[in-house]
Amino acid sequence: AQTVTQSQPEMSVQEAETVTLSCTYDTSESNYYLFWYKQPPSRQMILVIRQEAYKQQNATENRFSVNFQKAAKSFSLKISDSQLGDTAMYFCAFMKLVSGAGSYQLTFGKGTKLSVIP
Amino acid sequence: DADVTQTPRNRITKTGKRIMLECSQTKGHDRMYWYRQDPGLGLRLIYYSFDVKDINKGEISDGYSVSRQAQAKFSLSLESAIPNQTALYFCATSDSGLAGDEQFFGPGTRLTVL
Repeated sequence: AQTVTQSQPEMSVQEAETVTLSCTYDTSESNYYLFWYKQPPSRQMILVIRQEAYKQQNATENRFSVNFQKAAKSFSLKISDSQLGDTAMYFCAFMKLVSGAGSYQLTFGKGTKLSVIP
Repeated sequence: DADVTQTPRNRITKTGKRIMLECSQTKGHDRMYWYRQDPGLGLRLIYYSFDVKDINKGEISDGYSVSRQAQAKFSLSLESAIPNQTALYFCATSDSGLAGDEQFFGPGTRLTVL
């Protein structure tokens, strides 16, 4: 079974500073996808960034970047120049092909609550 | 207008009542999903559907049923609600067949079972 672990239930960061959210996962698969989703107080789930496991280059989206360490099964999210609007729950998620079903399923971590302090 | 909508947004009901949560999408996606979110547990998959004729159980399907009335509509039912089904419920959609497809989420339904 795949598990996704986010070891930091809550974090805080000063506005304009950089913060890194941790995520580790457990799988025996060689190809899969990893995602970070953001859930602000509005409770809407918003995709932040995605990474394909066989791509060595770390994904980046503006102020958001990942540090993907496949051998260590680690997928951390770095937020640079933190803004007040980054205050949210952040969920790491693992997607893989379900054998025999022809479908891809997401497994989510328990989330990290990030607060950006003015 | 939102691409994925859920009704109702909030609902309070009593133990033993039948409840239906509805999801509609205008994205034209084939695949639809129902998740529940509990504090400290993240999102867990209840059911998913590839098309109108295809329904599959997820991780936590006990106590729930679904209906895919059309490509755009996917409903979740609680036949006899119980308090531990109090949670935030999300519908999501994705395009078909492509690995790594983003799932697009609705705004969620907060359900409270007394």
